[in-house]
Amino acid sequence: QSVLTQPPSASGTPGQRVTISCSGSSSNIGSNFVYWYQQFPGAAPTLLIYRNNERPSGVPDRFSASKSATSASLSISGLRSEDEADYYCAAWDDSLSGVVFGGGTKLTVL
Amino acid sequence: EVELVQSGAEVKKPGESLKISCKGSGYSFDSYWIGWVRQMPGKGLEWMGIIYPGDSDTTYSPSFQGQVTISADKSISTAYLQWSSLKASDTAMYYCARLLSGRYSSFDYWGQGTLVTVSS
Repeated sequence: QSVLTQPPSASGTPGQRVTISCSGSSSNIGSNFVYWYQQFPGAAPTLLIYRNNERPSGVPDRFSASKSATSASLSISGLRSEDEADYYCAAWDDSLSGVVFGGGTKLTVL
Repeated sequence: EVELVQSGAEVKKPGESLKISCKGSGYSFDSYWIGWVRQMPGKGLEWMGIIYPGDSDTTYSPSFQGQVTISADKSISTAYLQWSSLKASDTAMYYCARLLSGRYSSFDYWGQGTLVTVSS
């Protein structure tokens, strides 16, 4: 049972907009930055979003994120087949004194 | 260019000890926290702990405290994760990763992962 809650799966067709949610609490999302990671099968995770809604250089602007109170969301617009991957949210948790991850969302592009 | 290169895959027997490594380059290794993340087969990411190579200040997840030891040698820009007595349940991929900005943040750069298999 992960501290941050994500839907286990999401799907969309090419060109669509998909949103993945991440629910936490006041000790993590509610008081700290949210990060999002993308992981392809057999590969290490890569940083997709940092500090709630900032994109590292090289990440397309099709990827965006937001945070409100104790929840966050990642949106992917103009969905492409190469976006098919697992997506994880993460945040520092003040109560646990460590980073907590969501359980991951497997995105399927139909 | 920031790079974290981890040691190769390991196959061990239960009860054996193991130390895996993560060598950083392209940045000031002793000025950024480095952490370890476990991913069991088919499962999600789990934060194990972090270390500041500058002074070896270390924080463990309660789930991993006493189960593993995290260390670093700043003279060779390398962090380590070690077990004194492996269990079959330690079979997993282990990633090292650099913290973006201070200990209360998350990871920006990741190593390629070290697969640890523990089987009799």
